[in-house]
Amino acid sequence: EAGVAQSPRYKIIEKRQSVAFWCNPISGHATLYWYQQILGQGPKLLIQFQNNGVVDDSQLPKDRFSAERLKGVDSTLKIQPAKLEDSAVYLCASSLTQGAHGYTFGSGTRLTVV
Amino acid sequence: AQSVTQLGSHVSVSEGALVLLRCNYSSSVPPYLFWYVQYPNQGLQLLLKYTSAATLVKGINGFEAEFKKSETSFHLTKPSAHMSDAAEYFCAVDKDQAGTALIFGKGTTLSVSS
Repeated sequence: EAGVAQSPRYKIIEKRQSVAFWCNPISGHATLYWYQQILGQGPKLLIQFQNNGVVDDSQLPKDRFSAERLKGVDSTLKIQPAKLEDSAVYLCASSLTQGAHGYTFGSGTRLTVV
Repeated sequence: AQSVTQLGSHVSVSEGALVLLRCNYSSSVPPYLFWYVQYPNQGLQLLLKYTSAATLVKGINGFEAEFKKSETSFHLTKPSAHMSDAAEYFCAVDKDQAGTALIFGKGTTLSVSS
């Protein structure tokens, strides 16, 4: 079974620029999560999708972050404009059903904002 | 609100020694608890999970954890450390009983010396 694919692996941008991350979950996984992991901290949930609907985006900074999951498969997370404090690893995870029992994480995208 | 606290940001052991990584939780309902491991530049891998069945949970790579309600703890142990166990370990609790997103601790870095 192929894992959760994320791209790019690394990205360096200047502050106030925009950036987008892509996630392809495991085939058939209905639930998709985006987490932000700042250096020295545990991952923090940004947004959770169930198919193409948003279940929880309460911790997503909506003034600059947006995410979509068209057709309930791939997902894109965007930051516009980026701030220095957005430097982090962005992790995508998917599960077959809504629930943490069967999470699979991707390798993440490491974003550096300079 | 659910939360977890990992005691000790860094633990060092010798190869062959006991590994003990501490995690305490706070939850208003019976929790589901998880331990994840993260190797450098990789995503998170599930080690084991407690979902209200047996209180002693066995996971991969020889790790196990015991759920102790009276102590609100879910400590991770391994009888004999191996060099390959060196990594970052995260304790997590599910956000609510619906089994949606996970709330992670800040992580504990395990170093293993020969």
